[in-house]
Amino acid sequence: GQQVMQIPQYQHVQEGEDFTTYCNSSTTLSNIQWYKQRPGGHPVFLIQLVKSGEVKKQKRLTFQFGEAKKNSSLHITATQTTDVGTYFCAARSNDYKLSFGAGTTVTVRA
Amino acid sequence: GAVVSQHPSWVICKSGTSVKIECRSLDFQATTMFWYRQFPKQSLMLMATSNEGSKATYEQGVEKDKFLINHASLTLSTLTVTSAHPEDSSFYICSARLGSPLHFGNGTRLTVT
Repeated sequence: GQQVMQIPQYQHVQEGEDFTTYCNSSTTLSNIQWYKQRPGGHPVFLIQLVKSGEVKKQKRLTFQFGEAKKNSSLHITATQTTDVGTYFCAARSNDYKLSFGAGTTVTVRA
Repeated sequence: GAVVSQHPSWVICKSGTSVKIECRSLDFQATTMFWYRQFPKQSLMLMATSNEGSKATYEQGVEKDKFLINHASLTLSTLTVTSAHPEDSSFYICSARLGSPLHFGNGTRLTVT
């Protein structure tokens, strides 16, 4: 499958601050998806990006797909305690297999 | 929305025994289901693709004789961990395809003692 590198592995954020997690691939991706996994839970789908340069927003979350379709980012503004969890990017292949990045585990200090 | 049910949620078994995990698509038919494994503080790794009515396809490094997959109907895939050992302790998650994206089950936490 397609390999995606995700950084940082850990992000410790002050409540109210912003942060970004990045996902990179050496090959062009047809599709990138983002998931959130709460501690002890299963991955929950957040968004899917398909088009070059695409930007999508979900309230305080902004997702971007690079122009070359080799990288993606998730930016969260005004972090809240409900944002705690691990955020994964995942590249989807043509046969619908997902290759997950290593994930960014977010903790929030009040 | 599409719902995938996975059972059991957690299981503890003794080394050498076998454990069966079920993955059901509750309100849709899924010709393809995927099985992932997640070790503590690690990412999800695809183990195998379960195809209804045919043999599963396994990812490199996954022992097909140890992780038996059966997809006998359009709504049920099962993963059997045979002769489980402590190193098989992990979080096993299934997902079913209904278009895109995939829909994940709640996962099964397996602990082998």
